[in-house]
Amino acid sequence: AAGVIQSPRHLIKEKRETATLKCYPIPRHDTVYWYQQGPGQDPQFLISFYEKMQSDKGSIPDRFSAQQFSDYHSELNMSSLELGDSALYFCASSPQAGEGYNEQFFGPGTRLTVL
Amino acid sequence: AQSVAQPEDQVNVAEGNPLTVKCTYSVSGNPYLFWYVQYPNRGLQFLLKYITGDNLVKGSYGFEAEFNKSQTSFHLKKPSALVSDSALYFCAVRDSPYNTDKLIFGTGTRLQVFP
Repeated sequence: AAGVIQSPRHLIKEKRETATLKCYPIPRHDTVYWYQQGPGQDPQFLISFYEKMQSDKGSIPDRFSAQQFSDYHSELNMSSLELGDSALYFCASSPQAGEGYNEQFFGPGTRLTVL
Repeated sequence: AQSVAQPEDQVNVAEGNPLTVKCTYSVSGNPYLFWYVQYPNRGLQFLLKYITGDNLVKGSYGFEAEFNKSQTSFHLKKPSALVSDSALYFCAVRDSPYNTDKLIFGTGTRLQVFP
């Protein structure tokens, strides 16, 4: 079965650089979520999109932005990177909202290291 | 505000013995509860969920969880542990039926199964 695809899997950046993380949800999933997991920590919600509109927002820094495109893939743009942004970034997707209480399916994550 | 607590950082169990990973929750409305497992350098894999109905929920890989409303708990259980069950387990909650809403994760419990 198709899963959530994230690219790149690993990314190394310098401080103050920018990074773009991509997420391709499971086909026919129209809701995408982004989470950040710091070392030894639980995943923290950043932002979500439903039908290409932002549906919820968590503790996402102003330096970060995200969007969902017409093909439902999503991109997380991170600017002015800081050392503390080093983390595992997960994307998750779920089926059509309102169709039931559906679990979120997670991608393998992008490990971002800021030097 | 909704939250989940996983009181044990680590649980150790011998292979073949039953295992329990504890989770308690706090929500203002009806709880929608989930268990996920994370293997090293991997994404979160869905194990099971409680939405409504029977308090005993069966999930993947022989895991089950018991919802207890009076104790606000949702403990993960397995009758006979395997060494391959060793991983990081996260309990998560959502206090709304809307799939666009985020999951709130516990801090995780590392399960170590010894041969």
